[in-house]
Amino acid sequence: NAGVTQTPKFQVLKTGQSMTLQCAQDMNHEYMSWYRQDPGMGLRLIHYSVGAGITDQGEVPNGYNVSRSTTEDFPLRLLSAAPSQTSVYFCASSYQGTGTYGYTFGSGTRLTVV
Amino acid sequence: GQQVMQIPQYQHVQEGEDFTTYCNSSTTLSNIQWYKQRPGGHPVFLIQLVKSGEVKKQKRLTFQFGEAKKNSSLHITATQTTDVGTYFCAAYNFNKFYFGSGTKLNVKP
Repeated sequence: NAGVTQTPKFQVLKTGQSMTLQCAQDMNHEYMSWYRQDPGMGLRLIHYSVGAGITDQGEVPNGYNVSRSTTEDFPLRLLSAAPSQTSVYFCASSYQGTGTYGYTFGSGTRLTVV
Repeated sequence: GQQVMQIPQYQHVQEGEDFTTYCNSSTTLSNIQWYKQRPGGHPVFLIQLVKSGEVKKQKRLTFQFGEAKKNSSLHITATQTTDVGTYFCAAYNFNKFYFGSGTKLNVKP
């Protein structure tokens, strides 16, 4: 039982480059989301999905795209990396998006943009 | 979005002392969740509170939800070095979970 798997664990990008952070879960969870964590600012929601084919924006969506073609996968795309996107990114999933179930988090991707 | 304010930002205690972190909202919450993140790790779900005035315990941890459902607290009795980490509250609102900024607990042996 792998839970939520994020790849890569570490990444260094140059300004302007694009990349995709991968997230996969094997718990048949409907709800998936991406957060970024910056020192002193807690976890801020980037995008979320309540099911395959359905995505919506969170608090800080600019510069990021998502898609949800399957229940298992929820990749996060950085379109043109900027130093302000240096952060730790967490993918999380929950059985449903009703707020009645806790999140399971992946181990995170530490991204540095130079 | 849903704002949840968490205090204090940092807490340093001697092992054996108690610790409390508070989560406050200006609006009524439908529920609140608590998470723990160890240094270098990822957040781990601890508990969810739903009912007004609810109190739940997990060994040395006591979680409370305010009567007005606008605030919550996490109290740790007799801290241990294994309690080190950052504790987050999270409030749910319209398909989104909003996290507080967290309280970083350091326990000195």
